[in-house]
Amino acid sequence: LAKTTQPISMDSYEGQEVNITCSHNNIATNDYITWYQQFPSQGPRFIIQGYKTKVTNEVASLFIPADRKSSTLSLPRVSLSDTAVYYCLVAPRGSSNTGKLIFGQGTTLQVKP
Amino acid sequence: DAGITQSPRHKVTETGTPVTLRCHQTENHRYMYWYRQDPGHGLRLIHYSYGVKDTDKGEVSDGYSVSRSKTEDFLLTLESATSSQTSVYFCAISEPGQPSYEQYFGPGTRLTVT
Repeated sequence: LAKTTQPISMDSYEGQEVNITCSHNNIATNDYITWYQQFPSQGPRFIIQGYKTKVTNEVASLFIPADRKSSTLSLPRVSLSDTAVYYCLVAPRGSSNTGKLIFGQGTTLQVKP
Repeated sequence: DAGITQSPRHKVTETGTPVTLRCHQTENHRYMYWYRQDPGHGLRLIHYSYGVKDTDKGEVSDGYSVSRSKTEDFLLTLESATSSQTSVYFCAISEPGQPSYEQYFGPGTRLTVT
């Protein structure tokens, strides 16, 4: 499974756009990129997934360049409630690896007023 | 939110005591997982199940056993708890065959071994 590298922590202010970049140099052809969010005292929550280019949903956008060696999670106009740990995961599509997701330490985002 | 409950939510036990944590789901998902979360280590997979009575080890399985006799229940047992097993334990579920690798997590169990 591809290893990921992301910043340990980031600070931002309310109303700003936050971009968290994840490196995954050894990503395989059939790997998908997935981001989870974890609030204090809760389990992680899936927020977005992509394979290439750009994906957007009601929570975030995910930008993936053509070489797919990195990805950027973009949170528009963050609020205090976006303070959480964000995990970048890379996993292949295939039943033999279903569920074997590697959660690293994630990026702790602190949003300040 | 996915229908996942964990019991107990908090437990304090003594070293050498057996402990069983329960994960219960109402989603009829095939896959179930047990993770532990510790400061500096993120989430680490302990064991997972891909069907009733079908289980496999994760990256930190030593000292833990699991059982799944029904689709809805996945039990994690610490045969003889040690202080190094003090952690927050999360259960998760997923359904194979879907495009995404979305896992749904339970609320967690905080275990303290004294």
